[in-house]
Amino acid sequence: DAKTTQPPSMDCAEGRAANLPCNHSTISGNEYVYWYRQIHSQGPQYIIHGLKNNETNEMASLIITEDRKSSTLILPHATLRDTAVYYCIVRAGGTSYGKLTFGQGTILTVHP
Amino acid sequence: GAVVSQHPSWVICKSGTSVKIECRSLDFQATTMFWYRQFPKQSLMLMATSNEGSKATYEQGVEKDKFLINHASLTLSTLTVTSAHPEDSSFYICSAGLAAPVRYFGAGTRLSVL
Repeated sequence: DAKTTQPPSMDCAEGRAANLPCNHSTISGNEYVYWYRQIHSQGPQYIIHGLKNNETNEMASLIITEDRKSSTLILPHATLRDTAVYYCIVRAGGTSYGKLTFGQGTILTVHP
Repeated sequence: GAVVSQHPSWVICKSGTSVKIECRSLDFQATTMFWYRQFPKQSLMLMATSNEGSKATYEQGVEKDKFLINHASLTLSTLTVTSAHPEDSSFYICSAGLAAPVRYFGAGTRLSVL
């Protein structure tokens, strides 16, 4: 699976958009970008995933660059409850039973 | 949506005793479950992949005789920490997935070994 690079921490004001970047310059053609988050002392929670096109769901939007070497997770209106560690993971989509490997992630702190 | 239940959420035990942690998929069948360990301020580290009806696959460096995994049914996997010691104190998390890219995680079990 391709390696990802994320900033160790970010801050965001409540109500503003939180834009979390992820670099995955070695991503291959069959690998998807997944985002999970982990609120303190809880298990990780799936947020969104994508292959090439931008994706949006009720939680967030995922913007993937045309060369697929980087992506951005957007929380459009961050709340205090969005404070968590956000993990960007790249792995082949076909191996649906395969393991997920977590990096260090980005600690997002949403402040009032 | 699919839910993974993990029990207990918190356990304290004496050094040398064994502790069993259960992971259940509540509304779906999981042929594969994953066990992670997380130390404070660190990321999740995959310990092993649990396969229903067969032996678990352990990651390099994880002692299979110390961390016994049983996946006897399609909805239940258990992790037993045998002869626990203070260095085994950690946050243990299980995960299961459908035939889809999404993984569902349990709420985790915090183990404290005195």
